[in-house]
Amino acid sequence: EAGVTQFPSHSVIEKGQTVTLRCDPISGHDNLYWYRRVMGKEIKFLLHFVKESKQDESGMPNNRFLAERTGGTYSTLKVQPAELEDSGVYFCASSQRSRGGGYTFGSGTRLTVV
Amino acid sequence: AQSVTQPDIHITVSEGASLELRCNYSYGATPYLFWYVQSPGQGLQLLLKYFSGDTLVQGIKGFEAEFKRSQSSFNLRKPSVHWSDAAEYFCAVAKEYGNKLVFGAGTILRVKS
Repeated sequence: EAGVTQFPSHSVIEKGQTVTLRCDPISGHDNLYWYRRVMGKEIKFLLHFVKESKQDESGMPNNRFLAERTGGTYSTLKVQPAELEDSGVYFCASSQRSRGGGYTFGSGTRLTVV
Repeated sequence: AQSVTQPDIHITVSEGASLELRCNYSYGATPYLFWYVQSPGQGLQLLLKYFSGDTLVQGIKGFEAEFKRSQSSFNLRKPSVHWSDAAEYFCAVAKEYGNKLVFGAGTILRVKS
């Protein structure tokens, strides 16, 4: 089975620009999560989709971040406008609805805002 | 709120030596517990998980972890470390399966030959 795919793997943008990160979960996984790790800090939860619905967006830092999950399949995370403090590694994960397997993570997108 | 503590930021062990990485969580009930590993340039890979049942769980790559309710701990162990085990290790908990994961700060493992 294909894993969780994220792209781009790296992105360098200037402050004030817009960046869109994409995550393709494992097929059939209804749960999709976004996490972020800022340099030197812990991995922090951003938000959780169940299919196309936002189940929990308590970790979204501010309204410059917009997440969508089209048709309950892939998800995008847009940062507009980007600020320096948005730099970090953004991870996506997916899991099945039924209890069983773990949460499968993608390789992450390293975002650098300069 | 849930929290996870990994008290050791860095650990260095000799190849072939045993390893124990500590993890303590703060949560009233028994949470869902996980250990992940991140090798340089890679994503997070699930080593093992505990949901219920036998408190000693076996994972991939020869790792095991023991859930101790009385100590609110879920320590990761390996009897003999290999150089390829050098990586960063994360303990994580979820209140219920499917809920968000709360991560510890991570422990960086260095293996010396």
